[in-house]
Amino acid sequence: EPEVTQTPSHQVTQMGQEVILRCVPISNHLYFYWYRQILGQKVEFLVSFYNNEISEKSEIFDDQFSVERPDGSNFTLKIRSTKLEDSAMYFCASKYLGGSETQYFGPGTRLLVL
Amino acid sequence: KNEVEQSPQNLTAQEGEFITINCSYSVGISALHWLQQHPGGGIVSLFMLSSGKKKHGRLIATINIQEKHSSLHITASHPRDSAVYICAVANTDKLIFGTGTRLQVFP
Repeated sequence: EPEVTQTPSHQVTQMGQEVILRCVPISNHLYFYWYRQILGQKVEFLVSFYNNEISEKSEIFDDQFSVERPDGSNFTLKIRSTKLEDSAMYFCASKYLGGSETQYFGPGTRLLVL
Repeated sequence: KNEVEQSPQNLTAQEGEFITINCSYSVGISALHWLQQHPGGGIVSLFMLSSGKKKHGRLIATINIQEKHSSLHITASHPRDSAVYICAVANTDKLIFGTGTRLQVFP
């Protein structure tokens, strides 16, 4: 069964460093998402992406964040200058159609900023 | 105030018990999702509902659009059902998540 994959599974970085989190969505999916979950808290929406552009973003997704779909398969989240409060689990998700369709989640990348 | 509220926050049960988890929301939605999160962190979609009721094995999900309320039921619970169950509503194109219900089922 097709699945969303994410790399790395864990990343430790120093405050102020740039990180790139990678996702490979399910191959025929057209809508892509990043969510994050700070330890012990609920999952929060960051950004949605369709047709090579951001379709919606949350207040969390400030100028330090960017997303890209550099080729036909990868979908990346970049954090330019990490802060301690960026430590969280980051989930990528994808779905085939717009509207009310099931989103398929990747296994997550656990980011720790020291 | 949270846009999606779940109750209870924690739930313990003996194997075989019938379990109900509730979700209320205050925003307009196009659909409601029930998700399962295991201790390793991975999230699995269980149901997507826009009306009525859905059943998959021992899991049943219902939604009342007028009352803005949904329930997830687990019949004949089993220790392998132990996980965090999350209600999330589809608002515009994003999901808004509840805080989750941690379920532990003991043998």
